[in-house]
Amino acid sequence: KAGVTQTPRYLIKTRGQQVTLSCSPISGHRSVSWYQQTPGQGLQFLFEYFSETQRNKGNFPGRFSGRQFSNSRSEMNVSTLELGDSALYLCASSLGQGIAGANVLTFGAGSRLTVL
Amino acid sequence: SQQGEEDPQALSIQEGENATMNCSYKTSINNLQWYRQNSGRGLVHLILIRSNEREKHSGRLRVTLDTSKKSSSLLITASRAADTASYFCATDHGSGNTGKLIFGQGTTLQVKP
Repeated sequence: KAGVTQTPRYLIKTRGQQVTLSCSPISGHRSVSWYQQTPGQGLQFLFEYFSETQRNKGNFPGRFSGRQFSNSRSEMNVSTLELGDSALYLCASSLGQGIAGANVLTFGAGSRLTVL
Repeated sequence: SQQGEEDPQALSIQEGENATMNCSYKTSINNLQWYRQNSGRGLVHLILIRSNEREKHSGRLRVTLDTSKKSSSLLITASRAADTASYFCATDHGSGNTGKLIFGQGTTLQVKP
């Protein structure tokens, strides 16, 4: 079956702009989680969506937001970009409920954002 | 911060040798998972161990969990050059259902042919 698809793979923005990243989960996965990866802070949890509702949120400012659609596809948005937002943004999908191992994450290849 | 710690930060071994990585965490867990990442790409799930389990095997991987010490180890036996990657432990401090995991800083493994 198809894996987790993230678009775009690479993008360059300037400070103050906004960006929207997209994630298509594995078919049947209802949970989509977003992570930010930087050399200094490592992998940090941004938020999780399950059945179109934000189920968990990490410690990021309100400039970071997301949503999930009825087909489980998810988008995240970062407004008023700062230099420190340069990172690899990873999306991961999982079943999200029901069985043991429901939170085994399948990651996409990531969207690498550079803010100039 | 709940973020786990891993050691060593970097490990370099010869092909055929075993590699051991350790992970420690701070608060009680539902499960602990190990992931591999090749060169800044997406992470790949390797193995999950639940809090009531002490050891699990998957192919050349062996994971142990000591909840009293809040630590886990990942052993890769008979390593191959293709095992060169970064390895992360990730802890679930919730219900076992959600995608909110706390990742360690990772161990970079280099396997020399």
